[in-house]
Amino acid sequence: AQSVTQPDIHITVSEGASLELRCNYSYGATPYLFWYVQSPGQGLQLLLKYFSGDTLVQGIKGFEAEFKRSQSSFNLRKPSVHWSDAAEYFCAVGRTGKLIFGQGTTLQVKP
Amino acid sequence: DTAVSQTPKYLVTQMGNDKSIKCEQNLGHDTMYWYKQDSKKFLKIMFSYNNKELIINETVPNRFSPKSPDKAHLNLHINSLELGDSAVYFCASSQEAGGGGRTEAFFGQGTRLTVV
Repeated sequence: AQSVTQPDIHITVSEGASLELRCNYSYGATPYLFWYVQSPGQGLQLLLKYFSGDTLVQGIKGFEAEFKRSQSSFNLRKPSVHWSDAAEYFCAVGRTGKLIFGQGTTLQVKP
Repeated sequence: DTAVSQTPKYLVTQMGNDKSIKCEQNLGHDTMYWYKQDSKKFLKIMFSYNNKELIINETVPNRFSPKSPDKAHLNLHINSLELGDSAVYFCASSQEAGGGGRTEAFFGQGTRLTVV
């Protein structure tokens, strides 16, 4: 069965520090992978996506993610976090007409 | 111009009532979805429609009935509301039925339903 795991429920980083949010997936074929961000009281906004090709993908707001097939991972990174990045982050696998989401990671940014 | 809009944003109602949530997209997409986000923020698909036809029904109780009058609208009607229905309901759309496949899904702002 398809599944997505985000091992970190809650992460706190200092403003200006680097960030890595982990995502592991379970899927038999090549997955389509997404990272979405949900700010408080808002809908979900797509940060980036991976379908094929270059395994390092760039997204909006300075985020990037790397697809590692051998590790079944699609970790999200940002070199320098801003206070406005505090939000809920969701990794998702897309296939068979729907998105399967991970549990989400809450990012808190300390001043 | 909001791409995917839902109304209302907040809905508070008593157990046993019937309520509807409306969704409209102006992106020209063929596929629309309803997702439910529970109190632990877990997101799960409920339904998807492609060109007004139901293509995914993810073991949702019969009390939930989606209706798509045209491909730009997907409404969600809920009968006999229960406490456990309290959640945030998100509407989304994508270009293809696979989205969530090779095309990204665009989400509305969500409707927070509270059943008391």
